[in-house]
Amino acid sequence: QVQLVQSGAEVKKPGASVKVSCKASGYTFTSYGISWVRQAPGQGLEWMGWISAYNGNTNYAQKFQGRVTMTTDTSTSTAYMELRSLRSDDTAVYYCARAIAARPSPNFDYWGQGTLVTVSS
Amino acid sequence: QSALTQPRSVSGSPGQSVTISCTGTSSDVGGYNYVSWYQQHPGKAPKLMIYDVSKRPSGVPDRFSASKSGNTASLTISGLQAEDEVDYYCCSYVGSYAVFGGGTKLTVL
Repeated sequence: QVQLVQSGAEVKKPGASVKVSCKASGYTFTSYGISWVRQAPGQGLEWMGWISAYNGNTNYAQKFQGRVTMTTDTSTSTAYMELRSLRSDDTAVYYCARAIAARPSPNFDYWGQGTLVTVSS
Repeated sequence: QSALTQPRSVSGSPGQSVTISCTGTSSDVGGYNYVSWYQQHPGKAPKLMIYDVSKRPSGVPDRFSASKSGNTASLTISGLQAEDEVDYYCCSYVGSYAVFGGGTKLTVL
């Protein structure tokens, strides 16, 4: 069955970077894309960006341009999201979600369990 | 990219129907037939309930239906059950991007 398993919770200081992983199984990794979505405490969902596991193409939300990098390792079926220059308002649960490979899409049929990133001095 | 507009809350009695709206612009909801809806229980990952405006993934009850008119998409839940009392989010394609609505809390009275 399709599974996305994310790395564990992180605590970071302001200005630091965090890299969250998302290991996929149960499907052909390169036939799909991965989107990253975050949710601040008590807040709604926020789309951060998308990467095609087929060809590595990326699209990032304007808000995160220059601060986020999404990559994939097809040899291990793992997607990564690195967010730099962390601020306190980056404290959130970060989710990876399976998307289509060809382009960014709002259809996310499988989700990881979420990774809590806490930014605090 | 501005978030899509959803009502903060809606409510209905068991067995009734409720509709949650999701309003965008001609650049997002109105411009593409790529709107999805998610259900989220507290502390859990969202679950895809509707994709491509009105299609239901396998396993989603047919009590959940959706449509779109102009720049507004709508999710209708019929035969309300206590277990439906959670948060719902819409999401739209925006042309190389995706954007979520602010979320709606459904209360079953």
